[in-house]
Amino acid sequence: TQLLEQSPQFLSIQEGENLTVYCNSSSVFSSLQWYRQEPGEGPVLLVTVVTGGEVKKLKRLTFQFGDARKDSSLHITAAQPGDTGLYLCAGVTTGGSYIPTFGRGTSLIVHP
Amino acid sequence: DSGVTQTPKHLITATGQRVTLRCSPRSGDLSVYWYQQSLDQGLQFLIQYYNGEERAKGNILERFSAQQFPDLHSELNLSSLELGDSALYFCASSVEGTGGNSPLHFGNGTRLTVT
Repeated sequence: TQLLEQSPQFLSIQEGENLTVYCNSSSVFSSLQWYRQEPGEGPVLLVTVVTGGEVKKLKRLTFQFGDARKDSSLHITAAQPGDTGLYLCAGVTTGGSYIPTFGRGTSLIVHP
Repeated sequence: DSGVTQTPKHLITATGQRVTLRCSPRSGDLSVYWYQQSLDQGLQFLIQYYNGEERAKGNILERFSAQQFPDLHSELNLSSLELGDSALYFCASSVEGTGGNSPLHFGNGTRLTVT
């Protein structure tokens, strides 16, 4: 059983569409990170959220941390082909080992 | 460029063999993490070192071992290799020993294929 469940697993959309991907758990996290991984490369950190209800924006990407700090979402507005990649969430549980645990990711393809 | 260097980029070897993967962390980072990424399991934490000392252990098999040297580079040793060990192996580094709020900087991985 995965600590972090990400959905959907795959997403294939046209350029200009909006999308939301989700990261859910039954555990409470002290912090949650979102990474993007492109083929042949390692994951690259996009954002870290630490406060329940927190919303962070990175250009066309909006990240939200759930009020109970058990879930998070990533919304992309007007997706572009350059957004194609594997989106991974990683959480650090409260009272745990401080090691980020990763979900399996959402694989996004944006077609021109 | 994350500043984390992993070598080799690709490795093809036979079952039963032993290999060593190498990682140089980003300048100034004291902590090194090793992760294994496969299609069915996702990114799984193996082990963490901080300033030369083992700090945390995850789902690392007994056939696998790691160490961090005084110059802070790290090596992951995989022995008695099995077909199921074929995966991408990533090294990441961070400034602090507690990775929660300290971002991880990943290398580009070593793709291991066991035939």
